[in-house]
Amino acid sequence: AQTVTQSQPEMSVQEAETVTLSCTYDTSENNYYLFWYKQPPSRQMILVIRQEAYKQQNATENRFSVNFQKAAKSFSLKISDSQLGDTAMYFCAFMKPGKYIFGTGTRLKVLA
Amino acid sequence: DSGVTQTPKHLITATGQRVTLRCSPRSGDLSVYWYQQSLDQGLQFLIQYYNGEERAKGNILERFSAQQFPDLHSELNLSSLELGDSALYFCASSVGGGPGRNTEAFFGQGTRLTVV
Repeated sequence: AQTVTQSQPEMSVQEAETVTLSCTYDTSENNYYLFWYKQPPSRQMILVIRQEAYKQQNATENRFSVNFQKAAKSFSLKISDSQLGDTAMYFCAFMKPGKYIFGTGTRLKVLA
Repeated sequence: DSGVTQTPKHLITATGQRVTLRCSPRSGDLSVYWYQQSLDQGLQFLIQYYNGEERAKGNILERFSAQQFPDLHSELNLSSLELGDSALYFCASSVGGGPGRNTEAFFGQGTRLTVV
C-alpha cells in the first residue's frame, strides 16, 4: 500500500529565511506524481508545486522548489525568502491511478 | 478561485439526520474526489469518480455514499449522522483519473459540517 509520511508536525522559520519540509513515501510504482499543497488558516487547499516521477529535474515555482530523490523516495519542499503569508499547513501528496494520498501535514509558522 | 464549487459552505444538523453535499468540478475536469478533514487532522480520502463511474474507494463509511451525474457534478450523501462526522468535507477535481498531464487536483473551499 502507498503511504506518505511527513515527520515534522510543526516547524518555524524567521521571515526572509529558508526552510525545508520533509516528505517520504512508499510505493512500488514507477510512474506517479507528487505534490505539495498549502492550507492557510482559511483552510482552502492550494496547490504549491508538482513533480512528475519520470522527470529527474526538480520542479521550481518562484520561491518554492523541491528536492526529489526517487531512489530514496524522498520529496522535500524548500521555501526560500519565507514570508508571513507562507504560514500554513503544508501537505505532501502522492498520486497514481486510483490513488491520491496525503501526508499528515507540517504546520509552518513564519516569524516576524 | 480554483473553479471548483462546493455547496453549502456551512451546514449544521442534528445527530441521526441525513445531508447532501454538492460539488461542481472545474470545466473540463472528469474526476471528482471527496475528502474528509476533521479538526487539525490530515485529509482522509473517501471516494473518487471518473466520468460518472466510481474509480477508487478509500475509508468511506457505509453510512456515506456518493455519485457523479452526467453533467459531472457530484453529491456526497451522509446519513445517520454522528457527532464524529463533524468535519470539513472537500471536493477536488482533475482532468484525468491518474498520472498524465494536468492531473493535479484543484480543491473547492469545502463544506463545514457540524453535527449537534
